[in-house]
Amino acid sequence: EAGVVQSPRYKIIEKKQPVAFWCNPISGHNTLYWYLQNLGQGPELLIRYENEEAVDDSQLPKDRFSAERLKGVDSTLKIQPAELGDSAVYLCASSELATDTQYFGPGTRLTVL
Amino acid sequence: AQSVAQPEDQVNVAEGNPLTVKCTYSVSGNPYLFWYVQYPNRGLQFLLKYITGDNLVKGSYGFEAEFNKSQTSFHLKKPSALVSDSALYFCAVRDEGHTGGFKTIFGAGTRLFVKA
Repeated sequence: EAGVVQSPRYKIIEKKQPVAFWCNPISGHNTLYWYLQNLGQGPELLIRYENEEAVDDSQLPKDRFSAERLKGVDSTLKIQPAELGDSAVYLCASSELATDTQYFGPGTRLTVL
Repeated sequence: AQSVAQPEDQVNVAEGNPLTVKCTYSVSGNPYLFWYVQYPNRGLQFLLKYITGDNLVKGSYGFEAEFNKSQTSFHLKKPSALVSDSALYFCAVRDEGHTGGFKTIFGAGTRLFVKA
């Protein structure tokens, strides 16, 4: 069974540029999460989807970050414009609705210059 | 407010010796507790979880964790460490008492070094 797929794996951009990350969860997993992981720290939730609905986006900086999961499967996280402080690893995870175990993708390492 | 603490930034152990990675938590409701491991340039991998029942939980790669309600701890253990266990370990708690649903909070991580 394929795991959570993320692309790109690495992205380098200049500040004020836009950037987008893509995630394909494990088949059949209705819940999808986007996390931010800074160096030396644990993941911090940005947004959680149950199917197409964003059920927790309280930690998403909505002035520059946006996310969508239009058909309840793939998801895209966007930053526009990027700032130097956005340099981090962006992790996507998925889980079945009824269980708590989250399965993580490899992450996208973003560097903003 | 819920929180997770991993008091050690780094744990060093010799191969073949037992290892313990510590975790304490604070939640308002019943805790769901997890351990994940992260290898370089990879996402987090699930090791084990405690939902209810037996306080000693067995997981992947020979790891186990003991839930202690009175001490609000969930320490990760392994009887005999391997060099390949060297990685970053994260404890996490899901708080069922969170208003509006649940939220999973991760600790800052503990780096484990196993020396041959």
